[in-house]
Amino acid sequence: AQTVTQSQPEMSVQEAETVTLSCTYDTSENNYYLFWYKQPPSRQMILVIRQEAYKQQNATENRFSVNFQKAAKSFSLKISDSQLGDTAMYFCAFMFGGFKTIFGAGTRLFVKA
Amino acid sequence: DSGVTQTPKHLITATGQRVTLRCSPRSGDLSVYWYQQSLDQGLQFLIQYYNGEERAKGNILERFSAQQFPDLHSELNLSSLELGDSALYFCASSVGLDAYNEQFFGPGTRLTVL
Repeated sequence: AQTVTQSQPEMSVQEAETVTLSCTYDTSENNYYLFWYKQPPSRQMILVIRQEAYKQQNATENRFSVNFQKAAKSFSLKISDSQLGDTAMYFCAFMFGGFKTIFGAGTRLFVKA
Repeated sequence: DSGVTQTPKHLITATGQRVTLRCSPRSGDLSVYWYQQSLDQGLQFLIQYYNGEERAKGNILERFSAQQFPDLHSELNLSSLELGDSALYFCASSVGLDAYNEQFFGPGTRLTVL
């Protein structure tokens, strides 16, 4: 069975600092996709970044980057120059078998001024 | 605004009842996904449709069913409701069948079962 684990229920970071959210997954699949979603207090789900498992190069989207370690089944999210608007719940997600998606329990991130 | 609309925003009903949640995808998107977010179970993928056909199924209960209509809007039907069905139900849409396509989420329907 596929599982996604986010071991940090809550984290905080000072504005302008860097923070890393961890995510590990377990699967026997070879082809899959990994995503990080952000859910701010408005509850709207927003895609932050995505990674195809067959690509070794780590994905980057502006201040957001991932450290994808396929052998270790690890997919951490790094947020640089944290902003107050980054305060949100962050979900790691694993998509396999076409479109089936498993989500982690989430990490609540607080960015402090 | 993602371009995905969901109605109603809030729904309060009683156990044993049946409700229908509606989703209109972004213009041009052919894929629709349904998700449930509850305190107990977290975020769960329920089901996906592409151009009217069911393509993937997740942890969707037998009491739940969905369909996508020719105009591409989708409905999620929940019947014999239980207290545990109280949750935020999201619909998302994407342009095609590539799993890597970005999914755009609607604002959700908050269902409360009393």
